[in-house]
Amino acid sequence: EADIYQTPRYLVIGTGKKITLECSQTMGHDKMYWYQQDPGMELHLIHYSYGVNSTEKGDLSSESTVSRIRTEHFPLTLESARPSHTSQYLCASSLVEGLTSTDTQYFGPGTRLTVL
Amino acid sequence: AQSVAQPEDQVNVAEGNPLTVKCTYSVSGNPYLFWYVQYPNRGLQFLLKYITGDNLVKGSYGFEAEFNKSQTSFHLKKPSALVSDSALYFCAVRGNYGGATNKLIFGTGTLLAVQP
Repeated sequence: EADIYQTPRYLVIGTGKKITLECSQTMGHDKMYWYQQDPGMELHLIHYSYGVNSTEKGDLSSESTVSRIRTEHFPLTLESARPSHTSQYLCASSLVEGLTSTDTQYFGPGTRLTVL
Repeated sequence: AQSVAQPEDQVNVAEGNPLTVKCTYSVSGNPYLFWYVQYPNRGLQFLLKYITGDNLVKGSYGFEAEFNKSQTSFHLKKPSALVSDSALYFCAVRGNYGGATNKLIFGTGTLLAVQP
């Protein structure tokens, strides 16, 4: 098992609430990622970071925001949750492996978010 | 553009029989190929990867995958399936053309169901 953690594992909240999904890793990985996944479906990259103070939007547009103030921590925030945000959110990290940079990504257990 | 296809939404196999989960890819240059497994309500677990060298790659839990450049395929195999292998399997590809912008592209997933 990879040393990457996500909290909470499950979250049910009402529309309009502000939420932060936590992700932390103890492997010293430079790169971190957030994916959105509907149950049993493919993954969509919504944010990534190549290091401290570096964040980029992914392939799928998302109303969420991220920050990377510390190497080990990559929280995702929704300022005003809506039912359309209901999904599973997966955090991952990877280490640049030499010049070839194979980027094997290791995933956390995920946060299943339900917005009522 | 990079892409990966998993042509089967579901694969059914009897316990003890060999299994194959198919994956084909399209990428510029030499590919980096990955297989991940996802159990219910969990994140993705890394199974194996192909970077270079021997076309047959061995991974976790007795799984292996064969890289076929001419057919642009990277099928996942196991000689004898277990009921506990039942899960969602994702193939992923990353182009090998350097730079920090390379991202993993995931397939749509294949549900493997192993009957006792």
